[in-house]
Amino acid sequence: NAGVTQTPKFQVLKTGQSMTLQCAQDMNHEYMSWYRQDPGMGLRLIHYSVGAGITDQGEVPNGYNVSRSTTEDFPLRLLSAAPSQTSVYFCASSDLAGEGEQYFGPGTRLTVT
Amino acid sequence: GENVEQHPSTLSVQEGDSAVIKCTYSDSASNYFPWYKQELGKRPQLIIDIRSNVGEKKDQRIAVTLNKTAKHFSLHITETQPEDSAVYFCAASTGAGNQFYFGTGTSLTVIP
Repeated sequence: NAGVTQTPKFQVLKTGQSMTLQCAQDMNHEYMSWYRQDPGMGLRLIHYSVGAGITDQGEVPNGYNVSRSTTEDFPLRLLSAAPSQTSVYFCASSDLAGEGEQYFGPGTRLTVT
Repeated sequence: GENVEQHPSTLSVQEGDSAVIKCTYSDSASNYFPWYKQELGKRPQLIIDIRSNVGEKKDQRIAVTLNKTAKHFSLHITETQPEDSAVYFCAASTGAGNQFYFGTGTSLTVIP
C-alpha cells in the first residue's frame, strides 16, 4: 500500500512552459485535492475532486487545470508556467468529505525561472 | 470564503514546558478543525482533530480546545520534547465539497 504518490519530486521550468504534476493514490479514496505551500502562506487549496469525473476550484485555481478520469489519479496541469507558481505542491486524498484525515503525498518542489 | 488566522508564527519553548498555538476562523458554518504537523522536508500529517459538537479533545500530551461562540480553537502540547519541533498548521472545514482552509503555520522549536 503506497498511499499517495507524486511525481516528479523536483522540477525546474522556464516561464511559459507547461507541465503536468502527477498524483496517484491506492486507498480507493473518493476525495482528492491539490495544495500549494509557500513560505508564510500555509497550504492553499488549488482544486479538489469529490469523485471520478467531478472537480471544482479551490482558493487559488488560476493557471492550473485538473481532471479526474479515474478514482486513483488526479493530475495537475500548469498551462503556462509563471515565476509566481514557484512553490511546493502537495496532493492529498481522504475517504470523507470535509473531515477526517487527509493523506498527503510527499510533495513536488517546482521552480519557474 | 473561510479565513483562518494562526498565531504565533514562531514559538520557542524549553523542553518540558507547554506550548499553545491559537487559531481563529470566520465562517460560523465550519464544523471540523484538524491540526497537522509538518517536519522539515516532510509531508503534513494529522495529529489531532475536533468536531464542532465537542469542546475539548485530548490525546496523550496533545489537546485541542474549541470555542464556537468566539470562533477560535487552540492546540496545547504539554511536556514538550525536541521531537515536537516542527511546523504546525490548523485548518477548518464546513464539510462542503472537500474544502479545507489552513492557517499560515507555527514553527515550534523545543530547546533541549
